[in-house]
Formats: sequence, C-alpha cells, structure tokens
Amino acid sequence: GQQVMQIPQYQHVQEGEDFTTYCNSSTTLSNIQWYKQRPGGHPVFLIQLVKSGEVKKQKRLTFQFGEAKKNSSLHITATQTTDVGTYFCAGPRGDYKLSFGAGTTVTVRA
Amino acid sequence: DAGVIQSPRHEVTEMGQEVTLRCKPISGHNSLFWYRQTMMRGLELLIYFNNNVPIDDSGMPEDRFSAKMPNASFSTLKIQPSEPRDSAVYFCASSLRALLAGVGETQYFGPGTRLLVL
Repeated sequence: GQQVMQIPQYQHVQEGEDFTTYCNSSTTLSNIQWYKQRPGGHPVFLIQLVKSGEVKKQKRLTFQFGEAKKNSSLHITATQTTDVGTYFCAGPRGDYKLSFGAGTTVTVRA
Repeated sequence: DAGVIQSPRHEVTEMGQEVTLRCKPISGHNSLFWYRQTMMRGLELLIYFNNNVPIDDSGMPEDRFSAKMPNASFSTLKIQPSEPRDSAVYFCASSLRALLAGVGETQYFGPGTRLLVL
C-alpha cells in the first residue's frame, strides 16, 4: 500500500537558521497535507497542497509539492523556538484515510 | 466551534481493568478516526467511521479493543482488559467529507487521552 516516508527523523537547529524536511511517497498523491504537533499536544493541520509543483507560504514556512506529486518539502527560514515540534506529512489513502509519515521532530538551540 | 472533544485527558489504570475513551467530533463532520500514538510506532490508525458506521477496523490491535459510534456526536474506544503495552496517547479526529474528487480531507484532532496502564 501507499507509504509516506519522511526525512530526517530528527532535526536540531540553531535559532535563526533555516532547515528543510522532506516527504516522499511510493505512489502519486492526489494531494498532500502537513500537520504540526507541539510537544505534549495534538496534530494540527497546517496546509494542503493539490497541484503539481505547487508552492505555498505561511510566514516563514514554505511548502512545496513535487512536479510528479510524489514528494513534498517544508522549509522553515529563521527558525524560532516556536517552531519546536513534530511535523507530519500525510497523503490520502483510499477515500477517507490519511497515511501519515513518521514525522520530523524539530528542536531549537537558543 | 469547540473542536474535537476527548475525555478523559489522562487515565492511569491497572492491568486487567477496562478503559473507556470518549470522543465528541466536530458538529457536521461525518468521518471519525481513532489513532494511537507511541514513540515506537508513531501515529497508527485504529479505526474509522463514516456516518456512524465502522468502515475499516483493520488497525485495531486485537479483540481487546472495540469502538462504537452510537450517534453522530459521540464515539467510544474501549480496551478490555487493558495491558501495559496499551499505554499510549489515543487521539480522536474528525473530518468533513470532501466534495471534490481528489481533494483530501483535513482531519481535526482532539487533545488526546494519555493512557498509562500499570
């Protein structure tokens, strides 16, 4: 079945630096979603990408969907302590379900 | 909107006891999901309901787990008897079925129930 893989599993970032986390699917996706889970919290929807090559920005976060719709990336510029958490990508599986990646856990050094 | 509501938020119980987790989805959402999250296995889908009907329970670990959705505003996940390996965070999520083909459904997660089985 369709699997969504994320790398890296952990990302330790110096405050102010940029980083990117990647999401890869074994199959073409109709869309991809990104969620953020703060420590001790629950996953919260961030964004959905639908079109091939689509790029969306949310302040310092830039989300991209690959041309082949099999991969996606999340780039964060000027990392802040508020960016701490685990970022999940998720692709649809069947009509209703989402297949979540294992997540990238981000820690920030002040 | 209050979002997805789960109770209890924390549960500590002893092995062998019955545990019941509760969820109230967002009003108007017709899909409901139960997930389990652990460090080792990540976020696992246990079961999902559509219009109160269980559609896929292939993720339910074993017969000790059962889930019900008697109406559109309430669902339960029951573990009987509980075991230490059931210790995890259990999330309930709901979504509104997408109207356009190919557009995924955003899932709205509840705050979770942190279960510890001693």
